[in-house]
Amino acid sequence: DSGVTQTPKHLITATGQRVTLRCSPRSGDLSVYWYQQSLDQGLQFLIHYYNGEERAKGNILERFSAQQFPDLHSELNLSSLELGDSALYFCASSSGEVSNTGELFFGEGSRLTVL
Amino acid sequence: QQPVQSPQAVILREGEDAVINCSSSKALYSVHWYRQKHGEAPVFLMILLKGGEQMRHEKISASFNEKKQQSSLYLTASQLSYSGTYFCGTEYVNDYKLSFGAGTTVTVRA
Repeated sequence: DSGVTQTPKHLITATGQRVTLRCSPRSGDLSVYWYQQSLDQGLQFLIHYYNGEERAKGNILERFSAQQFPDLHSELNLSSLELGDSALYFCASSSGEVSNTGELFFGEGSRLTVL
Repeated sequence: QQPVQSPQAVILREGEDAVINCSSSKALYSVHWYRQKHGEAPVFLMILLKGGEQMRHEKISASFNEKKQQSSLYLTASQLSYSGTYFCGTEYVNDYKLSFGAGTTVTVRA
C-alpha cells in the first residue's frame, strides 16, 4: 500500500460525458502528479501540482482540467469524453517540489472506460 | 520531452544479466527508475542525481553518465520476480515534470 488513494477504481461512461477522478496523496506529501496510461502504453505526464499551485503541464487536452485543494487532495476532471480517453489514470505523490527530493508513490489508478 | 529507452523488450533466463538504457537530448536534473508489473501501479526502484553515485536495489543497479545524458539500469543474476515493465523518468532543471520513457518489458523465464 503506497498510501495514495484514488477513487473510483473503475468507471464506465459514455462518449460526451464528464467524470471526476479523485486522489488523496500520502500524508505530508505536497506534490501530486497525474499520468495517463493507455492500454499497454507508457505513462504520459498530464500535470503536476505542488501545495495547491500548478507547477507543470504536459500534453494535457483542453477538455481535461485539474486542481489541488487546500487539504492537498487533487481532482482530475475529464469532459466531452471520447473513446480514446479510455485509459488508466494514475495519481502519484511526493514530498518535494522537484523530483530529485525523492520517489513518487503511485496510487492504484482509476480505470476509465468510455463506450 | 520524453527520454528514449532501449531495448523495447528483453527475454532472459533466470540468472542472466541485462542492461536497459535511458537517453535524453537535454541536460538532466534527475533520473528515476520504476518497475510496473501487469495490472499494478509503478513501484520506485531508485533515483540518480547529477553528481551522485551509482545506486542499487537488491541486485539491480543503475548509473548516470552526465556527459552522455544517459542512465543505464543493470539487472544482475535476474530472478523471476524481475519480470515487468521498467520505466525511466527524467526531469530537467526548472521543469517540474517527471516524464517517462516508453518502457522496457522484461520477461524472466525459469
